[in-house]
Amino acid sequence: DAGVTQSPTHLIKTRGQQVTLRCSPKSGHDTVSWYQQALGQGPQFIFQYYEEEERQRGNFPDRFSGHQFPNYSSELNVNALLLGDSALYLCASSLLAGAFTDTQYFGPGTRLTVL
Amino acid sequence: AQSVTQLDSQVPVFEEAPVELRCNYSSSVSVYLFWYVQYPNQGLQLLLKYLSGSTLVKGINGFEAEFNKSQTSFHLRKPSVHISDTAEYFCAVRVRMDSSYKLIFGSGTRLLVRP
Repeated sequence: DAGVTQSPTHLIKTRGQQVTLRCSPKSGHDTVSWYQQALGQGPQFIFQYYEEEERQRGNFPDRFSGHQFPNYSSELNVNALLLGDSALYLCASSLLAGAFTDTQYFGPGTRLTVL
Repeated sequence: AQSVTQLDSQVPVFEEAPVELRCNYSSSVSVYLFWYVQYPNQGLQLLLKYLSGSTLVKGINGFEAEFNKSQTSFHLRKPSVHISDTAEYFCAVRVRMDSSYKLIFGSGTRLLVRP
């Protein structure tokens, strides 16, 4: 049973560039959430996708956008990169978002470095 | 607003000694709590969760946690740690957002197991 997968593992970009991160959810899951984990901190919620729509959004600017595909995989896009966007980006998947048993399972993350 | 506090940023302990990692939460509604572990350069792995029922929850790798509503705590314990338990541990509370949930994380506790 494949868990949550993310690509790429590492990424180096320069300020002002754009980046796309990818996530495939755990088999059978239909909901994808994205988190940003800055160095030495806990993960912060960016947004969540279900049925190909953004359901909820955390306190992140519009430079952060996403997409969910019919196969439930998801992309996170960040435009006009800033140095402060350097972080580990985590994808989490779950089944039946909002159900009592809703539990999020995380992927290995993508380490983004902005120079 | 709901929040999670992990007072100890780092806990050093000798191998085979017991350990307790502290987690306190603030919430005015039903509480659903999680502990995740993050090994170096990896994503988050679910250790255990409390949704309802018995306040003593057992997880993987010999860890357990006790939900204490009166003290608003969800401390993680292990009776005898191994070198391989060295990692970052995150406590999280599941927060309702309209029709789904997001996780709010504490700042993490680094468990350092010494031989």
